[in-house]
Parts: sequence; C-alpha cells; structure tokens
Amino acid sequence: DAKTTQPNSMESNEEEPVHLPCNHSTISGTDYIHWYRQLPSQGPEYVIHGLTSNVNNRMASLAIAEDRKSSTLILHRATLRDAAVYYCILRAIPYGQNFVFGPGTRLSVLP
Amino acid sequence: DGGITQSPKYLFRKEGQNVTLSCEQNLNHDAMYWYRQDPGQGLRLIYYSQIVNDFQKGDIAEGYSVSREKKESFPLTVTSAQKNPTAFYLCASSTRGTGTGELFFGEGSRLTVL
Repeated sequence: DAKTTQPNSMESNEEEPVHLPCNHSTISGTDYIHWYRQLPSQGPEYVIHGLTSNVNNRMASLAIAEDRKSSTLILHRATLRDAAVYYCILRAIPYGQNFVFGPGTRLSVLP
Repeated sequence: DGGITQSPKYLFRKEGQNVTLSCEQNLNHDAMYWYRQDPGQGLRLIYYSQIVNDFQKGDIAEGYSVSREKKESFPLTVTSAQKNPTAFYLCASSTRGTGTGELFFGEGSRLTVL
C-alpha cells in the first residue's frame, strides 16, 4: 500500500481552525484517504475518509487536491479535546490488508 | 453497544513467559488485526485475519502467534521468543470488500515485561 507523509507536530490555539496536511504522491486510483486520531493511551478512532471529492462530517472536513497527491484535514474550531495524534492512511479497494500507519502529526491545542 | 473489547488493559510478565491478549468484537466484521505501538511511534502490523481459520503475518510477526477459530475472536500470544515485548497492543476490525472500510479499534492492552 502507498505511504503518506505528515508533519511530526503542529500547534494551534483553541477555537481557531486547524489544517493538517498529508502528502501521498504515490496514491493509486483505488486508494481511499482515511484519517484517524489517537488520544493518549487510547486506540485510534476514525475521523473521516474520502476518494476524490471534499467531504464533511460532524468531526471535520477533508479537502482533497485535484491530483489526489495531497489532502488536508480541517478542524474548524480546535478544542482542547482535539489534542491528539492524527494519522493519514491510504485504504485500497478491495481492501489491502497491510495499510501503513506512520508516526502521524501530534497536534497541540493551546488555551 | 457494538465494539471491540480488549483484555487485560494492563499486563505484567516475567521474562520467558508467554502471555495471551484477548480481542473480541461484536460488529460482525470479517477482518481483524493486531498492531503494536511503541512510545512516540506509529502502529505496526503484527498479524491480520480476513476470515475465520485464516491469518497472515504482518510486518513484525516474529515472536507472536494468533488464532482465528471464531469470527468474533482474535487472540494474540506474545511468546518468549519476542525479544522486546514491552509495548502497547491494539486490536482492530473492519469489513471486507466494499463499504467505508473504517477501522474500529479497541482500547488497547499495555504489556510490561519485568
């Protein structure tokens, strides 16, 4: 499965928007872009996913570049509870089983 | 409520002992996975199973063993052959084929070797 690259860490102020980038230059046409986040000492939780079009849900928005080589997870108003490690992974259809979790981006939210 | 249950949450082991971590899901998912996470690192795949009675090695399978006798259960045994077993272990499940492919994770088991 294709790999992704993300910044190691980012910082945001509370109640401000946060844009978390992800590069996936070797993405294939059947790869879905998934985002997960992991709070301290917990298992990761699903945030959002998309294929080509931008996506919105109650947690976040996902903006996908036209060439699909990059994407951005958008948290519209960061809260202290959003402080976590955010992982961007690619999920092939039919599902490749060995999808790769990199180190992710550690988001700190300042009050 | 549907979800994944891992037990125990914390486990201490003496060197040379085998330990088994439990993972049970009631989501009716075909696929199940075991990951290892070391401090400050991402998740690394140990084993995965797409259907009952079938499983494949992931990137770091050495020193670990699994079984998949029931759809809802995927236990992981950390054997004495695993050189550095102290880590946070995560179990996950997902559907196969089409659909969102969303991964559902348990809360993890933290293993410490004394």
